[in-house]
Amino acid sequence: SQQGEEDPQALSIQEGENATMNCSYKTSINNLQWYRQNSGRGLVHLILIRSNEREKHSGRLRVTLDTSKKSSSLLITASRAADTASYFCASDRGSTLGRLYFGRGTQLTVWP
Amino acid sequence: GAGVSQTPSNKVTEKGKYVELRCDPISGHTALYWYRQSLGQGPEFLIYFQGTGAADDSGLPNDRFFAVRPEGSVSTLKIQRTERGDSAVYLCASSRIPGAWTEAFFGQGTRLTVV
Repeated sequence: SQQGEEDPQALSIQEGENATMNCSYKTSINNLQWYRQNSGRGLVHLILIRSNEREKHSGRLRVTLDTSKKSSSLLITASRAADTASYFCASDRGSTLGRLYFGRGTQLTVWP
Repeated sequence: GAGVSQTPSNKVTEKGKYVELRCDPISGHTALYWYRQSLGQGPEFLIYFQGTGAADDSGLPNDRFFAVRPEGSVSTLKIQRTERGDSAVYLCASSRIPGAWTEAFFGQGTRLTVV
């Protein structure tokens, strides 16, 4: 079953604007990860944030985590047309085995 | 290899047939995962291998699905008596060490279509 929900389901913006995607999850976690997927095929890992971290940066990406609200957000600054993809959050539900629980994803479209 | 390799990239089969999907993980990665992704959904976990053994197969939907990893590297996902509802993209991922605190590297997937 899906662990979380991404919000919004679809987001359409112009190049140069910032894109914010949110993710909510249902149970306690150790870590939360964000992945990107182009054209419904392989996923690419973007960033991992641990449950004791509140914010993490990687290039144009900024991820926040609020464990009290069981939510996370992914911010892409100064978006580019090449950022067009689906973005998924994935959590571990507190397991240490490596199994990930994905949300349904946000489809981001960046118009040139 | 440079990345996780999955073959075939596309597979069309008739209802009731048997199919095998192959995954070559990144060399040296001990953990291997299979996920299934239906259109418009996120990936759903099927099975996780740590070395040669299946550490968690609780995501396999029924006994028509089986996976092996006999030498701790290449894995094969086997589906018997395929049904139209099995149509999906099957994704394989590997990680250097087990655990959700490390990133998983995904292959490009096998798109299975059961007609």
